[in-house]
Amino acid sequence: QSVLTQPPSVSAAPGQKVTISCSGSSSTIGSNYVSWYQHLPETAPRLLIYDNNRRPSGIPDRFSGSKSGTSATLGITGLQTGDEADYYCGTWDKSLNIWVFGGGTKLTVL
Amino acid sequence: QLQLRESGPGLLKASETLSLTCTVSGGSISSNAYSWAWIRRPPGKGLEWIGSIFYSGDTHDTASLRSRLTISADPSKNQFSLTLTSVTAADTAVYYCARTYYDTVIGLPYGMDVWGQGTTVTVSS
Repeated sequence: QSVLTQPPSVSAAPGQKVTISCSGSSSTIGSNYVSWYQHLPETAPRLLIYDNNRRPSGIPDRFSGSKSGTSATLGITGLQTGDEADYYCGTWDKSLNIWVFGGGTKLTVL
Repeated sequence: QLQLRESGPGLLKASETLSLTCTVSGGSISSNAYSWAWIRRPPGKGLEWIGSIFYSGDTHDTASLRSRLTISADPSKNQFSLTLTSVTAADTAVYYCARTYYDTVIGLPYGMDVWGQGTTVTVSS
């Protein structure tokens, strides 16, 4: 069981918007930066969001991040079939001094 | 442009020792703005952080592997490595190395911004 809780799956139609939640605690999300990763099969995970809501160069603005208290959310607008992937949140756990990932959310674009 | 590449044996037998190396090109591992991490993804499961090493040589690692795990770095070769002893089928996974980018003012990680392509490790019984 992951320290960070994500829904196992979400789905939406092409062109629509989807959000993926990530719930943690005061020692994880509540006191650290949250990042989000996209993992397509047979590829390396890709950083989508860092510092809660900042996008690395090259990541389209269809992807957004937010954080409130001990929870964070990834938003994806204008869904494309190429967005079908597993999405993970991640952060540092201050009490255990370890990095933690959420359990992952499988996005299906119907 | 920074690149990371994992190398190591793809197939092991149970009880053997897994040794993986991550070679970093296009940048130095000797910087206080970064740490260097190992992550794995077992078949049918999610990403699992294994541990990290800092430029100072300090390491952090996950409790479940701590008794079998060593993470080390060789700045002269711009490499860092993972050694996992007494492997079992549960250690079968794709193993990734990655760079963790830090807010050096407050000492907290922003996220893992550069990843290797991954190397598949299979442990047979």
